[in-house]
Amino acid sequence: GDSVTQMEGPVTLSEEAFLTINCTYTATGYPSLFWYVQYPGEGLQLLLKATKADDKGSNKGFEATYRKETTSFHLEKGSVQVSDSAVYFCALLNTGFQKLVFGTGTRLLVSP
Amino acid sequence: NAGVMQNPRHLVRRRGQEARLRCSPMKGHSHVYWYRQLPEEGLKFMVYLQKENIIDESGMPKERFSAEFPKEGPSILRIQQVVRGDSAAYFCASSPQQGGNTEAFFGQGTRLTVV
Repeated sequence: GDSVTQMEGPVTLSEEAFLTINCTYTATGYPSLFWYVQYPGEGLQLLLKATKADDKGSNKGFEATYRKETTSFHLEKGSVQVSDSAVYFCALLNTGFQKLVFGTGTRLLVSP
Repeated sequence: NAGVMQNPRHLVRRRGQEARLRCSPMKGHSHVYWYRQLPEEGLKFMVYLQKENIIDESGMPKERFSAEFPKEGPSILRIQQVVRGDSAAYFCASSPQQGGNTEAFFGQGTRLTVV
């Protein structure tokens, strides 16, 4: 079945450092890929998405490129802020299916 | 336009009691999804409903769990005879239509604690 694998956290960075959170997936067909962010005590918010190979999703300084050849969708940000501290989930939605498949999440801690 | 509303935000139940979790989708959304998040884990799909229909319940435990989305009112996730292992955050999401490009909007979740 479809699955998503994320790097384990926590990822601890200083403010203004470069961020990469790795995400790879296994899926039949051509899924859409998503990054969601969960702040403490909150629900999930969509951060960015990409619907086909080579698409780049971007939002709030974050970006991720849909790489079909490596089945990856790594999240990057050039300069993190303390307010970026949260849990980040990579997810896929396969064509014809209605359920998002999530990775286990990666906690990001940014210190001043 | 209010977002997806879930209540209660926190629910404490003793073992053997029933838990009822409510989800009001965003206005105009007719598709509702329930997910469960166990501690330190990702979200796992439970059930997908449209008004008065269960479309996919492949992620629902076979016993004690049920879900509905009536013609009027919120979607309800019902857990009978709760056990400690049911302690988790339960998230509801809604979307206006089905399809791979359609964003699902999530509620803030109900955190169930079974004591």
